[in-house]
Amino acid sequence: EAQVTQNPRYLITVTGKKLTVTCSQNMNHEYMSWYRQDPGLGLRQIYYSMNVEVTDKGDVPEGYKVSRKEKRNFPLILESPSPNQTSLYFCASSDRGTWGETQYFGPGTRLLVL
Amino acid sequence: QQPVQSPQAVILREGEDAVINCSSSKALYSVHWYRQKHGEAPVFLMILLKGGEQKGHEKISASFNEKKQQSSLYLTASQLSYSGTYFCGTFDNQGGKLIFGQGTELSVKP
Repeated sequence: EAQVTQNPRYLITVTGKKLTVTCSQNMNHEYMSWYRQDPGLGLRQIYYSMNVEVTDKGDVPEGYKVSRKEKRNFPLILESPSPNQTSLYFCASSDRGTWGETQYFGPGTRLLVL
Repeated sequence: QQPVQSPQAVILREGEDAVINCSSSKALYSVHWYRQKHGEAPVFLMILLKGGEQKGHEKISASFNEKKQQSSLYLTASQLSYSGTYFCGTFDNQGGKLIFGQGTELSVKP
């Protein structure tokens, strides 16, 4: 089954403790991206990747890192999480990231930073 | 800059119609529409491309006015399953950076 998976689905952590949220897709998509969703603000893009070893900033990249060493994986790294990073995070992928392609979203990761 | 959606919320009775608008201050190459049920991932509805091509949902229609940099999503004869939050999204220039509006919450009551 074609899908985007994220792990973990729920995470509670403390300020400053490094964490990684994994994202994997099995559709051989070149394009992957991360979003955060906060009430009233919609989905805001954090980072995106057009292909392996190619990443770029979205609208809200501060406090986050990503890497794209393999086509199927695009982990999101919070080196020193802070409470304002408490949010619902979605990973998404599409074929090449061009205008006319459907984005396939993962199930989401709900993060609480204390 | 984030596209602006209106209205922010709408409540309908089953069978009624609704229109959700999305406008951008930047030139649009395409407009994407997604629906999100509470606690779930956004799901693709439709893509509208410059030049008039559309891809997407059978029962939901949309328009794209390139000159006005606006798109509208038309939900006719609404069903209970239409409830959720609707997002429009636009790509920045050639692609890559996808920017979503703040969402429109639609509730369909029996």
